Amino acid sequence: DAKTTQPPSMDCAEGRAANLPCNHSTISGNEYVYWYRQIHSQGPQYIIHGLKNNETNEMASLIITEDRKSSTLILPHATLRDTAVYYCIVRVATDSWGKFQFGAGTQVVVTP
Amino acid sequence: DADVTQTPRNRITKTGKRIMLECSQTKGHDRMYWYRQDPGLGLRLIYYSFDVKDINKGEISDGYSVSRQAQAKFSLSLESAIPNQTALYFCATSDYDTQETQYFGPGTRLLVL
Repeated sequence: DAKTTQPPSMDCAEGRAANLPCNHSTISGNEYVYWYRQIHSQGPQYIIHGLKNNETNEMASLIITEDRKSSTLILPHATLRDTAVYYCIVRVATDSWGKFQFGAGTQVVVTP
Repeated sequence: DADVTQTPRNRITKTGKRIMLECSQTKGHDRMYWYRQDPGLGLRLIYYSFDVKDINKGEISDGYSVSRQAQAKFSLSLESAIPNQTALYFCATSDYDTQETQYFGPGTRLLVL
């Protein structure tokens, strides 16, 4: 599975959009981009995933560049409860290994 | 009710004791996983199971064993607990039809004295 690079931390003001970048320059054509988050010591929570098209759900939007070498997770209106570590993961959606490689992620702190 | 539950949520045990962590899911997923998380090391896969007859070792299976009692239940055992097994343990489930999106339980915090 391709490796990802994320900034170690970022701050965001409550009510503003949070834009979380992720680089995955070695991504393969059949690898999806997944985003998870982990609020302190809780189980990781699925946010969104996509292959090449931009995706949106009730939690966030995922913007994937045309060359697929990077992506951005957008939390449209950050709240204090969005403070968490956010993980960007790339992997083949249907591989038999089934493993998610969680890296260090980005610690996002939403401030009042 | 939560889709993926883990019991116990917290456990303190002594070196050499056998303990079992249990995971149940109501999502109807075929695939289940056990991870451990240590500070600064992210999540590491211990065991995974693609159905009740399929059990596979992950990257750190030594010292652990698992049992898939039913589609909905996956237990992790520490046969003889040691202090470096002190960690946060997570169970997860996934399904082929949802492109392997994994859903995690709330975790079990284990302390081995």
